[in-house]
Amino acid sequence: DQQVKQNSPSLSVQEGRISILNCDYTNSMFDYFLWYKKYPAEGPTFLISISSIKDKNEDGRFTVFLNKSAKHLSLHIVPSQPGDSAVYFCAASATGGTSYGKLTFGQGTILTVHP
Amino acid sequence: EPEVTQTPSHQVTQMGQEVILRCVPISNHLYFYWYRQILGQKVEFLVSFYNNEISEKSEIFDDQFSVERPDGSNFTLKIRSTKLEDSAMYFCASSDWRTQYFGPGTRLLVL
Repeated sequence: DQQVKQNSPSLSVQEGRISILNCDYTNSMFDYFLWYKKYPAEGPTFLISISSIKDKNEDGRFTVFLNKSAKHLSLHIVPSQPGDSAVYFCAASATGGTSYGKLTFGQGTILTVHP
Repeated sequence: EPEVTQTPSHQVTQMGQEVILRCVPISNHLYFYWYRQILGQKVEFLVSFYNNEISEKSEIFDDQFSVERPDGSNFTLKIRSTKLEDSAMYFCASSDWRTQYFGPGTRLLVL
């Protein structure tokens, strides 16, 4: 199941700089996208989401951009902090038909922010 | 801040035994989910539950699995006869609409 892909397994960024995490999807039925942050041995923590009717959503240091024509979304973290170091998952869901909002996850990207 | 809780945090069991994983969703949420993550793999959807019945399930969720909401607060996942390949982190999630909030997970090890 490769409907949601995060092609970069890892990303290393200097503190204070921008982190850009990318995600691609193939299923055109997806209409809601989320980013989660996960520490080892913990559950995914919701960060930010975006509906397909928007192309940008911002919450503090986190901004998600959606390019529907390219089936691509990205998460920008500005400025990056060492506490942001974690695994970041992109997830997508579709409504309508028999779908009740199940999430399809990407493989995750390990973000390391160096002091 | 309300959160999803799960018990136990770790469970070790012998192959063929039954296990019950427990979750307390966020109190005003109406949609409940179970996911699992096998070590090194993606987080995978197992089942969704709404209005006291299963609304959707994946091909992983076979007859060995069942879910229940026995009272107004708990949401359980039962695996009737565990297999070695059931070893994974199991996450419960709940939502009031589109955004799902996850519990800390139960690490299940089947020996």
